[in-house]
Amino acid sequence: QKEVEQDPGPLSVPEGAIVSLNCTYSNSAFQYFMWYRQYSRKGPELLMYTYSSGNKEDGRFTAQVDKSSKYISLFIRDSQPSDSATYLCAMRNTNAGKSTFGDGTTLTVKP
Amino acid sequence: NAGVTQTPKFQVLKTGQSMTLQCAQDMNHEYMSWYRQDPGMGLRLIHYSVGAGITDQGEVPNGYNVSRSTTEDFPLRLLSAAPSQTSVYFCASSSPGQGNQPQHFGDGTRLSIL
Repeated sequence: QKEVEQDPGPLSVPEGAIVSLNCTYSNSAFQYFMWYRQYSRKGPELLMYTYSSGNKEDGRFTAQVDKSSKYISLFIRDSQPSDSATYLCAMRNTNAGKSTFGDGTTLTVKP
Repeated sequence: NAGVTQTPKFQVLKTGQSMTLQCAQDMNHEYMSWYRQDPGMGLRLIHYSVGAGITDQGEVPNGYNVSRSTTEDFPLRLLSAAPSQTSVYFCASSSPGQGNQPQHFGDGTRLSIL
């Protein structure tokens, strides 16, 4: 069983919709949780970075971590066509060189 | 504002050939890592380094070799290329000393083994 499971998608929504992306994990040692956005033929770009449980908001993006349920989410409000990309969840313990990634969810936002 | 730079961007090899993928960062980050990404999958860790002279294996290290002689550079060597190593390779860097920040990625090297 994988340490990190990500809702597979793909996901297609109309412009302006609220998008929810989700990951579950099994390793209790994970303390740092990241969401990366990856456009086609580019490297992952950091979107959100949180430590331990709680919510973090940045503009239209909200990251949510529930360590008791081993569940993380990324919410995108007022989605835009430019949000169309693959979203990767990632997490790690205190070793900053070793992140474990989900398989990614491909999102398409239609105008 | 270079960040993490990977070269080459594309490469085609024949089975059995060797090559080195280059990675350089200009952010003075202590930690550097190599991942591979296969279609429909997330990134899997190959090797990582916590500083010059120190490396360790990740999830899928077989067939790859690394060394870290400087803070800036972390090359990945394919010893004898196999078709199973066809993938996109990403290098990342981070600095636990800067508030335990997450990894920053390069734009990848797309490698095909025939």
